[in-house]
Amino acid sequence: DIQMTQSPSSLSASVGDRVTITCRASQSISTYLNWYQQKPGKAPKLLIYGASSLQSGVPSRFSGSGSGTDFTLTISSLQPEDFATYYCQQSYSTLMYTFGQGTKLEIK
Amino acid sequence: EVQLVQSGAEVKKPGESLKISCKAAGYSFSSHWIGWVRQMPGKGLEWMGIIYPGDSDSRYSPSFQGQVTLSADKSISTAYLQWSSLKASDTAMYYCARLHYDTSGYYYLGHWGQGTLVTVSS
Repeated sequence: DIQMTQSPSSLSASVGDRVTITCRASQSISTYLNWYQQKPGKAPKLLIYGASSLQSGVPSRFSGSGSGTDFTLTISSLQPEDFATYYCQQSYSTLMYTFGQGTKLEIK
Repeated sequence: EVQLVQSGAEVKKPGESLKISCKAAGYSFSSHWIGWVRQMPGKGLEWMGIIYPGDSDSRYSPSFQGQVTLSADKSISTAYLQWSSLKASDTAMYYCARLHYDTSGYYYLGHWGQGTLVTVSS
């Protein structure tokens, strides 16, 4: 199985800050990496697929980068609605799409 | 508009059986894989498995193989997740989600159900 490890597990930041979340795969996954946002009591929402492609309707302050084993999700200027938990997911292993453990983004 | 509507919350006792559902609308149900994801209370997302409704081809995460069964009924555009004997540790929120395929070759979960909360307690 491909293991996905996110860092940090939690993060405190202020509105307007630039924030970066990291995801590392246990083996190379090329750019088969997705990012999701989950708010309390809600289903996850796709933000980015293919490591850097922004899903339709997602604000441009979200961006993704990386390839191989190391990936990042960046929020360029935090907005109040961005405080949530973020998950990476690999889609390299056929039909076995494991998630990272999540990064909780909290208000400082 | 693509919609996945899941069945309502369940409260069960250990040892009981359960089947929860995910009804699809707005697309060709038979032609798209449906994945299932578990979220235990206060924890992260776990990949359980996936089913292709067109022929019921199913793949399970090793952690869930033999613990749950995926099925689908094309006639009513509904996917199912079932347990034959629930444990307290099955208490969780369960999500279904449709697998999307991008022309660049990427797969992702683009549409999600609202989740079904399963509580197992004596």
